[in-house]
This record gives sequence, structure tokens and C-alpha cells, in this order.
Amino acid sequence: NAGVMQNPRHLVRRRGQEARLRCSPMKGHSHVYWYRQLPEEGLKFMVYLQKENIIDESGMPKERFSAEFPKEGPSILRIQQVVRGDSAAYFCASSLSGKETQYFGPGTRLLVL
Amino acid sequence: ILNVEQSPQSLHVQEGDSTNFTCSFPSSNFYALHWYRWETAKSPEALFVMTLNGDEKKKGRISATLNTKEGYSYLYIKGSQPEDSATYLCASTGGGNKLTFGTGTQLKVEL
Repeated sequence: NAGVMQNPRHLVRRRGQEARLRCSPMKGHSHVYWYRQLPEEGLKFMVYLQKENIIDESGMPKERFSAEFPKEGPSILRIQQVVRGDSAAYFCASSLSGKETQYFGPGTRLLVL
Repeated sequence: ILNVEQSPQSLHVQEGDSTNFTCSFPSSNFYALHWYRWETAKSPEALFVMTLNGDEKKKGRISATLNTKEGYSYLYIKGSQPEDSATYLCASTGGGNKLTFGTGTQLKVEL
């Protein structure tokens, strides 16, 4: 049973470009969470999605960031017009139900030049 | 306590030593406390989820306890081995499902 998959593992973008980060949850999991680790900081919650629905986006920056989890395919975290401050490690986690253990992927390291 | 706090920030022990770390969390609106083990360049690995006051969980040489009334959890490692070297994270959930993480305890086990 494959774990949570994220791709790409590393992503380099120039300021103003778009970044798309993908997350495939564990098989059978319909709850997906995105977390961000800024340099020298801990993991911070961004958004919680359940198939086709955003349940909690209280940790998402108000502008340029969006997330989706379509009926088919991976969850996507999209960052438009990236800035240097977006450089961070972005982690995805999934769970079987909303109250159970969240299993983490290996993360995507985004570097904005 | 408003945030999740962990201590110590880092710890160096010798192989065979037993050690423990502390996680403090807001006791109001508490639902669950999670412990993760995180090695560099890998995914955080789930260790325990605890919900009830007085809960104790064990996995091999690692165990954890929970006190929800005073808002703390301890993680214990018995007979530390070099492969136990990692960052240990705790996270709490309130009424929602998002994890609020501490900044972790970085453990280094030396031969």
C-alpha cells in the first residue's frame, strides 16, 4: 500500500511564475491536508479538503494561493505569481476520516529565485 | 498556554540512555494529541494518537502519556539507539481537524 505521494519533490520557480504542487493521498483516504514549513519555522496548517470540497482554509494566505481536490486525480496546491517569501517545504497529509491519524508525504521543496 | 510548545529544543544522549521530552498544549477545546517522528529528508512518521486523559501508548521502546486536564504529554524512549536520532514533533487538534504543531525536539543519540 503506497504511502502519500507528492510531486515534484523539488521545484524551482522565478518570481512571478506559477507553482503547482501535487499530492496523491493513501489509497482509500478521502481527506487531504496541506501544511507549510517556512525556513527556521515549524509545520503550519494551510488547508483541509475532502473530495471536491474545501472544509477549512483558515491557514491559506488570502491571495495567490488556492487548493483543490477533484473527484478524480490528485490534490493540487497552486501558487500564482510566486514571491521569494513562498520558498518553503510544502507537505501534504491524508487520513481515512477527519479525526484519525494523518499520514504525511515527503514534501515538495519550493525555491523561488 | 496558547500554542503547542515542546522542550527541550534539542537533546544529545548516549546509546543506551533513556530519555523523555515534553509537549504542552492548550487544554481547552482539546480533542487529540499526536506524536510524530521526523528524520531529515523523509516524511514525518506517525507514532501515536491519544485522546483520553491518562492515556498511555507504547510502540517498542517508545511510549507516551497524556494529561488533558493540565495540558501536557510526555514521550519516553527507553535504551536509546542511534537510529532513534530524529526530530520528534507533537501536534494537537481542537474541535477541527487541523494539526497545530510544536517546533519539535531534535534528538541525537551518540555511540
